[in-house]
Amino acid sequence: GEDVEQSLFLSVREGDSSVINCTYTDSSSTYLYWYKQEPGAGLQLLTYIFSNMDMKQDQRLTVLLNKKDKHLSLRIADTQTGDSAIYFCAESRSSGSARQLTFGSGTQLTVLP
Amino acid sequence: EPEVTQTPSHQVTQMGQEVILRCVPISNHLYFYWYRQILGQKVEFLVSFYNNEISEKSEIFDDQFSVERPDGSNFTLKIRSTKLEDSAMYFCASKEGRNEKLFFGSGTQLSVL
Repeated sequence: GEDVEQSLFLSVREGDSSVINCTYTDSSSTYLYWYKQEPGAGLQLLTYIFSNMDMKQDQRLTVLLNKKDKHLSLRIADTQTGDSAIYFCAESRSSGSARQLTFGSGTQLTVLP
Repeated sequence: EPEVTQTPSHQVTQMGQEVILRCVPISNHLYFYWYRQILGQKVEFLVSFYNNEISEKSEIFDDQFSVERPDGSNFTLKIRSTKLEDSAMYFCASKEGRNEKLFFGSGTQLSVL
């Protein structure tokens, strides 16, 4: 079955870049997503990439997709303390008339002052 | 910006009781979902709903669970007889079209005592 894997923890210094990595197994994935979850809050869609793209940039966020290796990464430039949160990678797959997401376990990003 | 709204934000119930979790998806969206996240675990798919019927459900979504879209705006998840292991954060999500991105609500934290 499909699976999405992420490392559990990442610590960076404020002002540095953060890179959160994700691997997935489903080659039929169409969209890949990055969600942010702050303590006690819901899932905030940060960015997403369609599977026929290699890269997407959105302000401080850069998503890289290596479809051959089924590897997705999220780079946050100039990381701030407000970026501390859990970041979830998710992939969507086709399932009949609906598509549902498979999530990774989340990466806890800690930004140190 | 339109958002998915969930109520209540917290629900405490006794084991064996019925609970109804409510969601108001974004108004022009056609696809609706429930996910849950047990503390410390992955976000898991429960059910997808389109055209007034369930499109797909996971093995978690057993006979104790049901979903309903009673009117043009609400989408509810009912748990008939709650168990301790139903304690989790329940997320509602919706999207406009089949190939569109998924928006999540802020979740309902369900605690079964």
